[in-house]
Amino acid sequence: DQQVKQNSPSLSVQEGRISILNCDYTNSMFDYFLWYKKYPAEGPTFLISISSIKDKNEDGRFTVFLNKSAKHLSLHIVPSQPGDSAVYFCAASRSNFGNEKLTFGTGTRLTIIP
Amino acid sequence: KAGVTQTPRYLIKTRGQQVTLSCSPISGHRSVSWYQQTPGQGLQFLFEYFSETQRNKGNFPGRFSGRQFSNSRSEMNVSTLELGDSALYLCASSPGTSGSYNEQFFGPGTRLTVL
Repeated sequence: DQQVKQNSPSLSVQEGRISILNCDYTNSMFDYFLWYKKYPAEGPTFLISISSIKDKNEDGRFTVFLNKSAKHLSLHIVPSQPGDSAVYFCAASRSNFGNEKLTFGTGTRLTIIP
Repeated sequence: KAGVTQTPRYLIKTRGQQVTLSCSPISGHRSVSWYQQTPGQGLQFLFEYFSETQRNKGNFPGRFSGRQFSNSRSEMNVSTLELGDSALYLCASSPGTSGSYNEQFFGPGTRLTVL
């Protein structure tokens, strides 16, 4: 039962263009969402998060959008840079009351073409 | 501030053996979570410890166990290893306190290969 889904295993984008990574979830109890970036041989690194009370959160080149009615979130990277090439994981959590369990998607490998 | 450290980084075992992996969280963090990453499955939550108590548990068989020490360092153990246990095991630490979401910081992982 995959409660968090990333349906695109891979994505290639030209340098300087916008990268859009998508994520869907099925559990309506999730109220906090995160994106992590992972390079080979390293652990995931936190990128950006969003609470269910918001529909957008922006941090520099990274913006996360949340559509609660569609149970869908997306990560926009503008402009895309070669260093953005990595695997991106979407993750969700049920509460912020010290519940540290994250449910992850299967990841999308982003390749930025110079 | 030092990050999350995991030892060993690589491990090769044979079926039926047992293995112990270690994780040292960021100083001051009291919560340690463990995840298993396999191709096609993403990261699967194993369990979380806070102040030496298991607070959350994922859907893994009893062969997977863990513990946390008073200094917040954590170990996970896998007994009677199976080929399917080959994976990257990731440890994450966070402050663990309630009231606001606690961002998790991941270590580099231990790559376990079961032959």
